[in-house]
Amino acid sequence: GQQLNQSPQSMFIQEGEDVSMNCTSSSIFNTWLWYKQDPGEGPVLLIALYKAGELTSNGRLTAQFGITRKDSFLNISASIPSDVGIYFCAGQKPGTYKYIFGTGTRLKVLA
Amino acid sequence: ETGVTQTPRHLVMGMTNKKSLKCEQHLGHNAMYWYKQSAKKPLELMFVYNFKEQTENNSVPSRFSPECPNSSHLFLHLHTLQPEDSALYLCASSQDGRDTEAFFGQGTRLTVV
Repeated sequence: GQQLNQSPQSMFIQEGEDVSMNCTSSSIFNTWLWYKQDPGEGPVLLIALYKAGELTSNGRLTAQFGITRKDSFLNISASIPSDVGIYFCAGQKPGTYKYIFGTGTRLKVLA
Repeated sequence: ETGVTQTPRHLVMGMTNKKSLKCEQHLGHNAMYWYKQSAKKPLELMFVYNFKEQTENNSVPSRFSPECPNSSHLFLHLHTLQPEDSALYLCASSQDGRDTEAFFGQGTRLTVV
């Protein structure tokens, strides 16, 4: 099945640093969603994007819907230990009900 | 609490057993989804229901049988599973399936022995 390419796969950062991750696809998407998943739990929605070029913030998190509609990025500013987890992007293609998920970025924050 | 509740949280079953996973959403949504999450793999869409009608079946083996009696409830009936079916099974819902956010339950950790 189709996948979204998400990078980086994993990253170690120091507390207080900014983090950036992105998703790319060969297909156009109408919607981009960013989730965080803790071990043994379901993904929790962080940010939803609906328009090309849209830039949306949620606290220390900022995400953008790429102009080409084929990519999106998520930034986390001033990371804290509780930011540890796996971050997933998800895209929905026009005219479908499917949300396609990225491969995930595993974030580890060093205090 | 996302408004999507899955039961049980953990399930161990033998390959000859029959069991069911349950999902209930309290968000007034019309679309519901089953996803499978295996270790080190992206979430894989299994089924989509929109207004109780199945709109997607992502080539899922027949040993997985979904049921959506109403917009608030979704079941996944399991029979004669294989050990490789062990995974976290996630249910999600969204308002009407398109161009909206999807909210996930906490998942059912399934182990097939």
